[in-house]
Amino acid sequence: DAGVTQSPTHLIKTRGQHVTLRCSPISGHKSVSWYQQVLGQGPQFIFQYYEKEERGRGNFPDRFSARQFPNYSSELNVNALLLGDSALYLCASSLFFSGGSGNTIYFGEGSWLTVV
Amino acid sequence: GENVEQHPSTLSVQEGDSAVIKCTYSDSASNYFPWYKQELGKGPQLIIDIRSNVGEKKDQRIAVTLNKTAKHFSLHITETQPEDSAVYFCAASMRDSSYKLIFGSGTRLLVRP
Repeated sequence: DAGVTQSPTHLIKTRGQHVTLRCSPISGHKSVSWYQQVLGQGPQFIFQYYEKEERGRGNFPDRFSARQFPNYSSELNVNALLLGDSALYLCASSLFFSGGSGNTIYFGEGSWLTVV
Repeated sequence: GENVEQHPSTLSVQEGDSAVIKCTYSDSASNYFPWYKQELGKGPQLIIDIRSNVGEKKDQRIAVTLNKTAKHFSLHITETQPEDSAVYFCAASMRDSSYKLIFGSGTRLLVRP
């Protein structure tokens, strides 16, 4: 079975532009989360979606938004890009939205965003 | 607030030796503690995890221990190999309306041949 897949793998954007990142969870997984990983740091939680509803939001500005589609895939959108948005954006999937028994979180390979 | 501290930040060991990485967490309600290995240019790969109802878990050369009273957990890698060289992250789940992980700052492990 395929793991968590993300696209694009790399992209370069200019300050002020908009970016859309895409994620397909592991087959059968209904929860998708997004994390931002700045170079040299651990991933930071941005959003969690479960059954197309937002279940959690991290400490990120309103320029960041996301949605989940009926097939459980997800998009992360970032408006008005800043240089500081340059990072690896990771998508993670899990079966459920809470930490019950067996509910493991798996990450994709990420989308590298460079803002110039 | 929510916090996971991880030590050491870098660790260099001789091939065949053991490596230990330690983490402490702040939220006593946390119940899930995964460890991820991240190689250069790749996403985090789950290597082992433990839940709060278990004190120790082993998978071949890798083991994790959890002390709920002290709120700390550790990763133990025995018989290290050069391919174990990577950055390792611990994480703890936070019990709120979502299912999110709070990550430590990472440990760069170098296994010298």
